[in-house]
Amino acid sequence: AQSVAQPEDQVNVAEGNPLTVKCTYSVSGNPYLFWYVQYPNRGLQFLLKYITGDNLVKGSYGFEAEFNKSQTSFHLKKPSALVSDSALYFCAVEDSGAGSYQLTFGKGTKLSVIP
Amino acid sequence: DSGVTQTPKHLITATGQRVTLRCSPRSGDLSVYWYQQSLDQGLQFLIQYYNGEERAKGNILERFSAQQFPDLHSELNLSSLELGDSALYFCASSATGGANQPQHFGDGTRLSIL
Repeated sequence: AQSVAQPEDQVNVAEGNPLTVKCTYSVSGNPYLFWYVQYPNRGLQFLLKYITGDNLVKGSYGFEAEFNKSQTSFHLKKPSALVSDSALYFCAVEDSGAGSYQLTFGKGTKLSVIP
Repeated sequence: DSGVTQTPKHLITATGQRVTLRCSPRSGDLSVYWYQQSLDQGLQFLIQYYNGEERAKGNILERFSAQQFPDLHSELNLSSLELGDSALYFCASSATGGANQPQHFGDGTRLSIL
């Protein structure tokens, strides 16, 4: 079975500082990994994905994520946080070999960027 | 704007009732997904359709059913509603439903059971 863990319920960071939102995953095959962001009263919005290839993936709004197979992690990063980045962030995984067509989401991490 | 439209935005009803949630996917997308989001369970995958056919089923209760119509819109039917069914229900769509494709989410239907 596939699973994903976001160990931090909340991350606080000062505006202008780098941010990291952590994600670890478990699959039996190769993972497809995604990050989504949810603003209040809105649906989830796709940020970036890792399918194969370069371990550093760049996405929308200056976000990037690093795939680490040995640590089964896919942490979301941004060099300089903005107040407008404050939102709920979800990591998601799908096992590419399982043929399940199901994304499994983490519980979400609330990011607060303090002015 | 994701291009995925969900109606209604809010729904208030009573236990034992039946409701229908509607989703119009992004133009050109053939696959539709339904999710339930609640504080205690997080975001749970319910069911996926591709071009009118059921493709994958997740944690969907027997009281819930869905379908995708020839024009590709989808409906999620919830019956014999219980207090615990109160949640935010999201529809998402993708081009062909492949595992490596991002899903585009609507803004959800907030269901409140009184």
